[in-house]
This record gives sequence, C-alpha cells and structure tokens, in this order.
Amino acid sequence: DAKTTQPPSMDCAEGRAANLPCNHSTISGNEYVYWYRQIHSQGPQYIIHGLKNNETNEMASLIITEDRKSSTLILPHATLRDTAVYYCIVRVVNTGNQFYFGTGTSLTVIP
Amino acid sequence: DTGVSQDPRHKITKRGQNVTFRCDPISEHNRLYWYRQTLGQGPEFLTYFQNEAQLEKSRLLSDRFSAERPKGSFSTLEIQRTEQGDSAMYLCASSSRDVRGEQYFGPGTRLTGT
Repeated sequence: DAKTTQPPSMDCAEGRAANLPCNHSTISGNEYVYWYRQIHSQGPQYIIHGLKNNETNEMASLIITEDRKSSTLILPHATLRDTAVYYCIVRVVNTGNQFYFGTGTSLTVIP
Repeated sequence: DTGVSQDPRHKITKRGQNVTFRCDPISEHNRLYWYRQTLGQGPEFLTYFQNEAQLEKSRLLSDRFSAERPKGSFSTLEIQRTEQGDSAMYLCASSSRDVRGEQYFGPGTRLTGT
C-alpha cells in the first residue's frame, strides 16, 4: 500500500516555483523517493528520484529532509504544461517490485 | 520514438467478451509491468515480468486475467469474460537493470464496457 501522504490539490501561478510536499514518515533506510507525474489521459512520466541527498535535473529539484521523513518536489518556473497529477512514491531500488502510487497531488498552473 | 508502446489505445467491449492488449517495451529493458488505473485513482500494480518469467502477481489479477511475455520482449494482457468493473486504463511500463530502476510508462489502453 502507498506509504506516502500528499495534499490532494495545489495551485501555482505560471512562472512561479511550484513546491509539492510529500510525507513519508515510515520510510526505511534502503527506500528511495521517486516522483512521477501524469498529464491527463497519458501514462505517468518519471521526474526525479533520490535517497538522502538533494537532487536536481532538467525537470525539477528534489529536497529530502535530513531525517528523510518528508520531501519536496520543486518545479522552478511552472508553466501551463506542468498542470498534472504528481505522485510521490517510496520503494527499494532494484528489487523489481511495483510502485505504489497513491492518489497524488493535482497541480493546476494558473495563467 | 523508442518509448513504450501499447495497442490498442482504446477498446470497447461487451460483457462476457474476451479482450487482449499488447505492450512493446523499450527494447533493451528486461523488466515489464502491467498496471490498472481507474478514474481518480493512481495506477495499481497487476503483474511484473523479468525477461519471460512472471515473477509477481497482485491479488487484483483475478483468474480471468492472464499475462504473457513469451520471448521476453512484448507482452500481452488478456481479460476473459469481461465485466463492467474491468473498465479502466491499462498501463504498461518497462525498466532496465540499471540501479535507478525508474519505470517508463506507455500511453495506456482504455477499456470501456458497454
């Protein structure tokens, strides 16, 4: 079952940073945090993942708290195309196990 | 485009009919996953293959559901005697042996019952 808690919805003004929180208070030491997003009627899209260090790629930044019980996905300059459902997932890497998606956060970027 | 592809994109079925969906993963990926997604919910895991071996099945995968990956490349998901409750988006994903293990999803097949 899903091991994460996310707010059901958020709004963000176009051009501003979107900060999406995720709580994963029961995370284990060998579990990574993954973020995916799903634009309406499409398959989920991988964004970023991390273990304990902050991570950045061309799409987003991932900030993980020192105790690893929560994380924040940051979209630095949100655009209308970033409107989607964002899923925060924890899993053990390389076990082949499935992702537990939960219900995610529906982000709406407002012009 | 070398991403995950699924066919068909949409399927309409009548109660009691059999349906089959196909998934073609990214060519070098040895792991393949099937998920089901209903309206307003996140994807739910159905089953997982490593090469041709089906290693894990969810309790959601009733006896009417069967999945195969005969040569470790493409996979099929068959639903026999479809019911109204089978209406959903069926998603396929693949991943490599890379330690990061992120899954790449296809566009899905939407099954609608009439």
